[in-house]
Order: sequence, then structure tokens, then C-alpha cells
Amino acid sequence: DAMVIQNPRYQVTQFGKPVTLSCSQTLNHNVMYWYQQKSSQAPKLLFHYYDKDFNNEADTPDNFQSRRPNTSFCFLDIRSPGLGDAAMYLCATSRAPGQVNEKLFFGSGTQLSVL
Amino acid sequence: DQQVKQNSPSLSVQEGRISILNCDYTNSMFDYFLWYKKYPAEGPTFLISISSIKDKNEDGRFTVFLNKSAKHLSLHIVPSQPGDSAVYFCAAYRDDKIIFGKGTRLHILP
Repeated sequence: DAMVIQNPRYQVTQFGKPVTLSCSQTLNHNVMYWYQQKSSQAPKLLFHYYDKDFNNEADTPDNFQSRRPNTSFCFLDIRSPGLGDAAMYLCATSRAPGQVNEKLFFGSGTQLSVL
Repeated sequence: DQQVKQNSPSLSVQEGRISILNCDYTNSMFDYFLWYKKYPAEGPTFLISISSIKDKNEDGRFTVFLNKSAKHLSLHIVPSQPGDSAVYFCAAYRDDKIIFGKGTRLHILP
């Protein structure tokens, strides 16, 4: 089945130690998104790639970076994780933005803990 | 500033009855609206959507109603089933972005 896969399912890192979360997709979708969801909060869009074009949200901290080496893979890099970065990180894909009824396909998420 | 608001963190409904989940939004420029369902340990999955030019969309047991003048939409599930117990996110689309509400946890009681 075509899907969005996130690894690892749980990630523990130390305060200030760089960490990378990965996402892959077999849907061949053009757009890949990273959302951050803290407990009882709405998923918050950090950034997205439309093909190779990177689109950062205005309020995404510089501490968060992303790479998309090819259509299938997208990475979220947290350069110096703080305690406030502990959250669920959700990767999602869509065929293309800007189309009526376009919808997102989500991975299962990576739960990040910062010690 | 929350643009999509789900003011009820949780809702309990008897099996077989109607579940009504509510959502309010502040931006009248949203193009369409979506509902996502999330089970524990899984990512959200798309449930149903509605264009801003419509006031109702139905898909099986699920119906979404949109009241543009009130900037309000609701998801009706009838009849409610045990498998409907999940977190439901209301979301809105504009400018290549989908913005989510905080979600409502629905409990279907036996």
C-alpha cells in the first residue's frame, strides 16, 4: 500500500544535541509537510516543500531545518533541541497545493522527547 | 491567534445516537474545510471535506454542514459506532496551507 512512513516512532535526545527525523512516501506526491503537535494543541505547520521549493512558515524557529534530497524523502533537523521542542512531529504529503479538495496524507508521527 | 477553533475538548455520545462536533473559524477567506480523524499512535486520516461554496456535504454516516455567515461548521455522525471513538480535527485551507484546530476527543459509549 502506498503510504507515508516516519522513522523512528519514538526519539529521545538530549538538550542541545542535534536530532534528525525522517519521512518517506510512496505516493509520489509533490508536496511534503512537517507539522509539530504538542499535547492538546493543534498541529502547527513548520514548513513544506513543493517539489524542491522550500516554504518556511514565518514563525518557525531557526532551530528547525528541513531537507528534501529527492521526491520520496524529507528530513526534519532540529539543530539544538530545547525542552520546549518535545512534541509529536507529523509528516504529511499532498499531490499539489492550491487545488480545491486537496487533502493531506499523514504518517504516524515521531514522538520526540528531550532530556 | 487561533484561526480554527474547536471549543469542546471532548464529547461523549451513546452508541447509535448522533454525534455532533463543532468548529468555528475566524478567516472568511478560507477556501474549503476538512475533518480529520486520529486514532492513538496513528497519524490523522482524512474524513470529509466541504467547499466554501457549499453548505452541506454527505458521505455515508458523515455529514458536514457549513454556515458561512456564522463562520461555523459541524460534523454529524449518525448513527455513532464504537469505532468512531477518536480525536477529530477540524481544518481549513487557504494559500497552500491547511490550518488545524486543537481537536475534539469523541467517546462512543456502549
